[in-house]
Amino acid sequence: EAGVTQFPSHSVIEKGQTVTLRCDPISGHDNLYWYRRVMGKEIKFLLHFVKESKQDESGMPNNRFLAERTGGTYSTLKVQPAELEDSGVYFCASSPWRDEQFFGPGTRLTVL
Amino acid sequence: DAKTTQPTSMDCAEGRAANLPCNHSTISGNEYVYWYRQIHSQGPQYIIHGLKNNETNEMASLIITEDRKSSTLILPHATLRDTAVYYCIVRSYTTSGTYKYIFGTGTRLKVLA
Repeated sequence: EAGVTQFPSHSVIEKGQTVTLRCDPISGHDNLYWYRRVMGKEIKFLLHFVKESKQDESGMPNNRFLAERTGGTYSTLKVQPAELEDSGVYFCASSPWRDEQFFGPGTRLTVL
Repeated sequence: DAKTTQPTSMDCAEGRAANLPCNHSTISGNEYVYWYRQIHSQGPQYIIHGLKNNETNEMASLIITEDRKSSTLILPHATLRDTAVYYCIVRSYTTSGTYKYIFGTGTRLKVLA
């Protein structure tokens, strides 16, 4: 069974540019989560989808971040425009229901 | 909103038990404790979880104190491949009826040959 996949694995962009991160959850998992770890800090929750609906986006830092999950399958997280403090590792996780979450390998974002 | 505190790093001799402590003194009655680990360049990997009873699986044991303010993850016979960052996590319910993970800062465990 394929695990959670994320693309790209690394992204280096200039401040002010736009970046879109993609997450493909495990097939059949209705729950999809985004987390991130910025330099020196702990991994923090960003938001949670159930199928295509946003259930909780309380962790989204500001309106430069936009997450979507069209059709309840893969999800994208867009940062526009990117700022220096957005640098970090962005993780996606999925789960069937109230079970443990399965994490992807993460996307390392560097904003110069 | 950190709910867990962990030592920054620990060493353990190969073949010995690794005991990783975690304090979660503000945990609520319906919040579970989860443990994950992260090996370099991979995503966090599930180990074990519990509410108030001690738990054991093929990977580890989880001991939760009676007052639930702390817990210990035990790797009974540590191997070099257990070298990783171990995260103690509280699974917290949200006002929308869903839940999220609140990560601690993690303990970097180094297993020594």
